[in-house]
Amino acid sequence: DQQVKQNSPSLSVQEGRISILNCDYTNSMFDYFLWYKKYPAEGPTFLISISSIKDKNEDGRFTVFLNKSAKHLSLHIVPSQPGDSAVYFCAASSSTSGSARQLTFGSGTQLTVLP
Amino acid sequence: EAQVTQNPRYLITVTGKKLTVTCSQNMNHEYMSWYRQDPGLGLRQIYYSMNVEVTDKGDVPEGYKVSRKEKRNFPLILESPSPNQTSLYFCASRIGGANVLTFGAGSRLTVL
Repeated sequence: DQQVKQNSPSLSVQEGRISILNCDYTNSMFDYFLWYKKYPAEGPTFLISISSIKDKNEDGRFTVFLNKSAKHLSLHIVPSQPGDSAVYFCAASSSTSGSARQLTFGSGTQLTVLP
Repeated sequence: EAQVTQNPRYLITVTGKKLTVTCSQNMNHEYMSWYRQDPGLGLRQIYYSMNVEVTDKGDVPEGYKVSRKEKRNFPLILESPSPNQTSLYFCASRIGGANVLTFGAGSRLTVL
C-alpha cells in the first residue's frame, strides 16, 4: 500500500510554460513534505520542501503547494526550462517517528521540457 | 566537497555470489540509509542507521545485511544475491534530526 502516490509517470511541457507535478498521500500523520529531482546516472537531489503548518513555499522558479484537507501537494515550475527535464520524486515524513523521521517516497514523475 | 560515495557504481554478478556495496560520507552525519529504486515503485528503504552500531530494518530488508562500525561508512551486504535484487541502489545520509537526505550517485546491480 503506497502511502505517497504520484499518479502521472510522465509529463511533457513546452519550454517557458508552467509544469505542475502532483502528489497524493494517505497517511494523515505526515507533516513534512519534500521534492527531489533526479537526473540519469545521478542520485536524487533535494529541491524544495514544505511543513504542514504552511500551504505554500516558494524558491525561485519552484513553488510547492500543500492542501492538507485533500492530502495533496503539487510542485509548480515557472517558467520551465529544458534543464528541468528529470525525474521528480515526492517524499513525506512524520515527526511522530521522532529523530528517525523516515522518508516515504512516491514512484516519481518524468518531466520532459521541450525546447 | 560534501558528498556520499558509493562503490561500485555498476556491477553484474551471478546468483549466490556474495557482494558488498560500500557507502561512505564525509559530512559527519549520524543517520545513514539504503534505498532501492525500481520502475513504478519509487525509492524503497532497505535499512537505516541512526548512529554507530545502531541499525534497523526499512520496508524491504529481506536478503540484505548492513553494518555501522564507523560513523562515515555504511556498507550494504548481499550474502546470496538473487535476480529479484537486480535494482538501482542509493545510499543517503543526513544530520540526526534533519529532514533532508543527501544521496550518493547510485549503484546499478544486475544479478544473473
